[in-house]
Amino acid sequence: EPEVTQTPSHQVTQMGQEVILRCVPISNHLYFYWYRQILGQKVEFLVSFYNNEISEKSEIFDDQFSVERPDGSNFTLKIRSTKLEDSAMYFCASTMDRGTPLHFGNGTRLTVT
Amino acid sequence: QQQVKQSPQSLIVQKGGISIINCAYENTAFDYFPWYQQFPGKGPALLIAIRPDVSEKKEGRFTISFNKSAKQFSLHIMDSQPGDSATYFCAASGQVSYNTDKLIFGTGTRLQVFP
Repeated sequence: EPEVTQTPSHQVTQMGQEVILRCVPISNHLYFYWYRQILGQKVEFLVSFYNNEISEKSEIFDDQFSVERPDGSNFTLKIRSTKLEDSAMYFCASTMDRGTPLHFGNGTRLTVT
Repeated sequence: QQQVKQSPQSLIVQKGGISIINCAYENTAFDYFPWYQQFPGKGPALLIAIRPDVSEKKEGRFTISFNKSAKQFSLHIMDSQPGDSATYFCAASGQVSYNTDKLIFGTGTRLQVFP
């Protein structure tokens, strides 16, 4: 069964550094999402992306965050200047069409020290 | 109005018992209600989902009950097994914008099934 793959599985960075989290969505999917989950808390929506542009973003997704689909397969989340509170699991998800199930990757654990 | 409230926070059930997790929502624009199962170190995986045009959906040992007037839905796991031990999230989405179906997640229920 096709999977959403995320790399790296764990990223440790120092406060103020830039990080790029990478995702390869399922190949025929058109809608892409980033969610995050702070340890022990609920999964929170960050941003959705369709047709090469952001379609919706949450209050969490401020100017420090950006997303990009640089080629036909990768979908990236960049955090420009990381803060301690950015430490969380970041999940990429994709879906083929509106109203179809969302498929999540296994996440990247980001630790900001 | 975007919140989804989930209870209980944790649940301990004996093998063979019934696990019941409840969720409530406020936004009447929500039209899709999935349940996700998450094992430690993994991403959420879709378990079962329902739309408000039906009151119940069953897939194997998993059943969603949906009460549109009360704006509540619940997950029932029949004959609970130790392998069902995981965190369960309810979620909701609707046509909040033209190009997205963002999911609003509940706070999660940690289920432990003991032999």
